[in-house]
Amino acid sequence: EVQLLESGGGLVQPGGSLRLSCAASGFTFSRYAMSWVRQAPGKGLEWVSAISGGGDSTYYADSVKGRFTISRDNSKNTLYLQMNSLRAEDTALYYCAKGGFRQLVNYWGQGTLVTASS
Amino acid sequence: EIVLTQSPGTLSLSPGERATLSCGASQSVSSSYLAWYQQKPGQAPRLLIYGASSRATGIPDRFSGSGSGTDFSLTISRLEPEDFAVYYCQQYGSSPMTFGQGTKVEIK
Repeated sequence: EVQLLESGGGLVQPGGSLRLSCAASGFTFSRYAMSWVRQAPGKGLEWVSAISGGGDSTYYADSVKGRFTISRDNSKNTLYLQMNSLRAEDTALYYCAKGGFRQLVNYWGQGTLVTASS
Repeated sequence: EIVLTQSPGTLSLSPGERATLSCGASQSVSSSYLAWYQQKPGQAPRLLIYGASSRATGIPDRFSGSGSGTDFSLTISRLEPEDFAVYYCQQYGSSPMTFGQGTKVEIK
């Protein structure tokens, strides 16, 4: 059974940083692209970033480019999202998802909440 | 960036009725990379349709997808009480990957 468990969310002041993690199990992690997708309160889904299975290719939404960094540790079956220079508009539930660029997103975690507020 | 526009924003229907949701793209999308998701309040999205028309594992056959190029649709042939939710289309063949803004199917 595929499981994706996000952690690392919380309250941070604008301009601050957070690192999200996603522990994956139930599939061969290194074979699949992974993504982060966020959802602001009461809003729709917004794709944030994706990374290839080997970690050599990364993709970002324009809204986070230069501030967020996606990475993965295939030896630990873990996906990361380093978020710097956080803004109020980054406040959202952040989902980890299996799949990404040209790979179907077919499993989602339950999300971790990030709140950027003073 | 490929912009996906879903219509209508809200669909008010009764159980047993047919629902047709549309997803229009600003540029041509390869059918191989067009998916539909269902999201209920407090839950993560759930994959319904991939490749524009293939049902995901465990999805009832009342859900069907169709379309190509810039026009795609999701049809629910007979609405069940559990189908009232928000539906999103997504393209993942071009970076940045994008979602439509969603269509809410509500009970009339």
